[in-house]
Amino acid sequence: GQNIDQPTEMTATEGAIVQINCTYQTSGFNGLFWYQQHAGEAPTFLSYNVLDGLEEKGRFSSFLSRSKGYSYLLLKELQMKDSASYLCAVNNAGNMLTFGGGTRLMVKP
Amino acid sequence: EAGVAQSPRYKIIEKRQSVAFWCNPISGHATLYWYQQILGQGPKLLIQFQNNGVVDDSQLPKDRFSAERLKGVDSTLKIQPAKLEDSAVYLCASSLWQSGYGYTFGSGTRLTVV
Repeated sequence: GQNIDQPTEMTATEGAIVQINCTYQTSGFNGLFWYQQHAGEAPTFLSYNVLDGLEEKGRFSSFLSRSKGYSYLLLKELQMKDSASYLCAVNNAGNMLTFGGGTRLMVKP
Repeated sequence: EAGVAQSPRYKIIEKRQSVAFWCNPISGHATLYWYQQILGQGPKLLIQFQNNGVVDDSQLPKDRFSAERLKGVDSTLKIQPAKLEDSAVYLCASSLWQSGYGYTFGSGTRLTVV
């Protein structure tokens, strides 16, 4: 079966760094995605990892360890606009994404 | 490029009524998906189309939900009859087949069943 776990909620301070973890157990693996979703809006693509290691894109970085079934999303220099839900999703076969429950991040001044 | 278009944006119906949602994917995207997202949860796949054929509909409640993608472009998702637990956002997404680069989502239809 498919199982993707991430924390339900996190709180961090403006300007700080936050790490959102995701662990997965899936029947196949063809890459891991992170999406950002503001309340009432559609998910938007943040990052994609298919090989082990760190992918950096501006203030956001994503890490993958396939042997451990583990990924994290790192957000630096937090801004108030980063308050959103962050969705971890695994592409397990045929370009079909299975999503975790999402982590709601609240950034406080 | 134009994004994934969905309509309506909001819909309120009474239980046991029927409702239909429409999706127009990005031009050239062969694969189309319908997801259900209940408040506070991640999206759950309902059905995946490749052109006008169904790839996966294992999580579609077929006793009340149906979907079609005629001519391999636009798609409609129907619920008949609706239940209270169907209250959710219905997201349509499209992608290039096996692109490995994820999806582009539409803005979704927020359904409230009362």
